[in-house]
Amino acid sequence: AQSVAQPEDQVNVAEGNPLTVKCTYSVSGNPYLFWYVQYPNRGLQFLLKYITGDNLVKGSYGFEAEFNKSQTSFHLKKPSALVSDSALYFCAVRDKAAGNKLTFGGGTRVLVKP
Amino acid sequence: NAGVTQTPKFRVLKTGQSMTLLCAQDMNHEYMYWYRQDPGMGLRLIHYSVGEGTTAKGEVPDGYNVSRLKKQNFLLGLESAAPSQTSVYFCASKKRRIGDRGQDTGELFFGEGSRLTVL
Repeated sequence: AQSVAQPEDQVNVAEGNPLTVKCTYSVSGNPYLFWYVQYPNRGLQFLLKYITGDNLVKGSYGFEAEFNKSQTSFHLKKPSALVSDSALYFCAVRDKAAGNKLTFGGGTRVLVKP
Repeated sequence: NAGVTQTPKFRVLKTGQSMTLLCAQDMNHEYMYWYRQDPGMGLRLIHYSVGEGTTAKGEVPDGYNVSRLKKQNFLLGLESAAPSQTSVYFCASKKRRIGDRGQDTGELFFGEGSRLTVL
């Protein structure tokens, strides 16, 4: 069965500092990987996805993520965090071997302090 | 362009009552999903539909029923609500997009959620 792990429940970072949100996955086939963000009292919004090609994927709001097949990781990064980046972030994986089902991690809360 | 709209946004039920959550999307997406979100557990798939008139079970289908009579609408029903169904429910839709390796590459579009409390 496929799974996604987000090892940190919360990440605290000062505004202007780099932000990293970790994600590791486990699948039996080739993974398609996604990051979503959820602002308070809102639905999830798509940030970026890895399908194939370059391991570094660029997405919305200045975020990027690096796919690392050997480490089975897909960490989300932003070079300089903003207070407005404070939100709940979800990593998700989709695998054809699992019927193209999308599995979400438990989420990581990011708090950016001024 | 409304995207995905869920109604109602808030509801309080007593144990044993029934209710229906409505999801409507105006993007002509083939796929629609119902998830529930509980603290520390991420999103769990309840039921989904790959097209009008078809539905399938997800990870946590017990206690819920769904219907997709029209392509743009996906209804989630609770026949006899239980306190364990207190949660935030999200509807999502997706355009079918199959990549070179036969995997679905499309991203989900979510509604803003429906907060349900069962007393």
